[in-house]
Amino acid sequence: SQKIEQNSEALNIQEGKTATLTCNYTNYSPAYLQWYRQDPGRGPVFLLLIRENEKEKRKERLKVTFDTTLKQSLFHITASQPADSATYLCALDPQTGANNLFFGTGTRLTVIP
Amino acid sequence: EAGVVQSPRYKIIEKKQPVAFWCNPISGHNTLYWYLQNLGQGPELLIRYENEEAVDDSQLPKDRFSAERLKGVDSTLKIQPAELGDSAVYLCASSLAPLETQYFGPGTRLLVL
Repeated sequence: SQKIEQNSEALNIQEGKTATLTCNYTNYSPAYLQWYRQDPGRGPVFLLLIRENEKEKRKERLKVTFDTTLKQSLFHITASQPADSATYLCALDPQTGANNLFFGTGTRLTVIP
Repeated sequence: EAGVVQSPRYKIIEKKQPVAFWCNPISGHNTLYWYLQNLGQGPELLIRYENEEAVDDSQLPKDRFSAERLKGVDSTLKIQPAELGDSAVYLCASSLAPLETQYFGPGTRLLVL
């Protein structure tokens, strides 16, 4: 069966450290993968998209990698801040051209001052 | 620029009652999505509209759920009759076109008693 798994339900790190979140998928061959941030009581907010032919993508303190052989994406936040505390969701579109996103369960990140 | 607007933000009803959720997408966005998000889970796609046409409603439980987007702008999602298991957050998202970034509204939190 198809699955998208984010390996940690919750992750606590000290301010200033790098947070690394993992997204693994099975039985999909996505053309791209996306990461979203969701704060309590709000809808998800798009952060980054990485395509299957891209190994790495960066945006300010964020970095995403995509390994189609391992079927895994890693999401890094460097120099983490308490304001980075939120739930982070990975999502993929299994059907090229439709953008019908399938989401993982999310990882709740808490950055401790 | 105004974001995706949803109303109501919260709704409490008794089981077997009908309920409706309204979504106004970002101006000019032709693609509209309805998602369901259970507590501790990622959003799950219910239906996708391209203008006024429902192009993917395969995940919509059609025995009790219905949706419409009559003029290709705002949309309504209805549940009739509601069941206890329908308690969740209902998210609306929109994008300029199918492969463009999705922007989510704040969601409607439904509690069925």
